[in-house]
Amino acid sequence: EVVLTQSPGTLSLSPGDRATLSCRASQSVSNTYLAWYQQKPGQAPRLLIYAASSRATGIPDRFSGSGSGTDFTLTISRLEPEDFAVYYCQQYGYSPYTFGQGTKLELK
Amino acid sequence: EVQLVESGGVVVQPGGSLRLSCGASGFTFGDYTMHWVRQAPGKGLEWVSLITWDGVNTDYADSAKGRFTISRDNSKNSLYLQMNSLRTEDTALYYCAKDGLYWDWGQGTLVTVSS
Repeated sequence: EVVLTQSPGTLSLSPGDRATLSCRASQSVSNTYLAWYQQKPGQAPRLLIYAASSRATGIPDRFSGSGSGTDFTLTISRLEPEDFAVYYCQQYGYSPYTFGQGTKLELK
Repeated sequence: EVQLVESGGVVVQPGGSLRLSCGASGFTFGDYTMHWVRQAPGKGLEWVSLITWDGVNTDYADSAKGRFTISRDNSKNSLYLQMNSLRTEDTALYYCAKDGLYWDWGQGTLVTVSS
């Protein structure tokens, strides 16, 4: 099983700051099958990034994804108030498909 | 536009059974592998099961093996999850998701296992 470890667990920042979220895999993951989601309370996960670096439809360009192999990063260049949420990475190249434990982005 | 609508979530006693459904629209359902993913209250996301486009191949998380059965009816654009021998730890919001270069998700249906 591919274990995805996200860091930090909680990130405390202010609007306008830059956020860098990490997702590390226990073994190499194909870039094609690495995604990032945002989730707010009471809502389903919202796809932000797929194929490691492709923005989903309607996602603002302040969100970007990068990385390869075992190390992936989600960057939010300039935080807006609506960006404070929980973020998950997902690999869907190898069964069992797995998610990271999440990074909570909170208001400082 | 892809739409996935889950239903069937209720309160059920430990040891009980339940069948979840997911109705699909906005795409050719029979062309795609489908998944179930769950999220326990206040916890992260856990993949549960998949079924290939033709229903021939299925796969399960260890937590679901031997208790859950995924199935589909392509003529009805519907995905199902039969859950037996339910445990309190199965309490979660259950999402169906469409496979592809990226996954499309429904809004989920809540299953509560409690006496």
